[in-house]
Amino acid sequence: GEDVEQSLFLSVREGDSSVINCTYTDSSSTYLYWYKQEPGAGLQLLTYIFSNMDMKQDQRLTVLLNKKDKHLSLRIADTQTGDSAIYFCAESYGGATNKLIFGTGTLLAVQP
Amino acid sequence: NAGVTQTPKFRILKIGQSMTLQCAQDMNHNYMYWYRQDPGMGLKLIYYSVGAGITDKGEVPNGYNVSRSTTEDFPLRLELAAPSQTSVYFCATWSGTDTQYFGPGTRLTVL
Repeated sequence: GEDVEQSLFLSVREGDSSVINCTYTDSSSTYLYWYKQEPGAGLQLLTYIFSNMDMKQDQRLTVLLNKKDKHLSLRIADTQTGDSAIYFCAESYGGATNKLIFGTGTLLAVQP
Repeated sequence: NAGVTQTPKFRILKIGQSMTLQCAQDMNHNYMYWYRQDPGMGLKLIYYSVGAGITDKGEVPNGYNVSRSTTEDFPLRLELAAPSQTSVYFCATWSGTDTQYFGPGTRLTVL
């Protein structure tokens, strides 16, 4: 079945770039998403990319998609302490129903 | 425009009790979803609906039921609560383009 995998933890220093990686299995996914979750809070959409794109940039965020390797990455430039959170990658499956399958999340810790 | 609202925010149930988690949206989205998030995990799909009167199972439907009598509301029913259903429950909607919008979640504990 469909599966999404992420590394569990990433630690960076404030001002550095962070790169969070994700691999997925469903080659027919239409959308791939990145969500941010702060402790005790809901999900905040950060960005998403259509499966026919290679890259999307949105202010400090850059998403790279390698369809051949089914690899998605999220780069956060100039990482701030406020970026500390859990980041979830999600892929859509099920065609028009757009059901989402989520990775287990990457905890980003930003050291001052 | 409230977006996606969920009630209650928190609830403690005893084993065997039943309850309904409410989800409402004012965006006129046809698609609605229920996910659960267990501690330290990603979200898993419980049930979804592509429009009023139509529902279908997701990855983890056992122990739950849903109904969709209107576009706005998509309640999730737990009939016989079990400790394994302790989780945070998120409702989401989708317009058919771009992203899903998530509610703030309901934190449920079954003791």
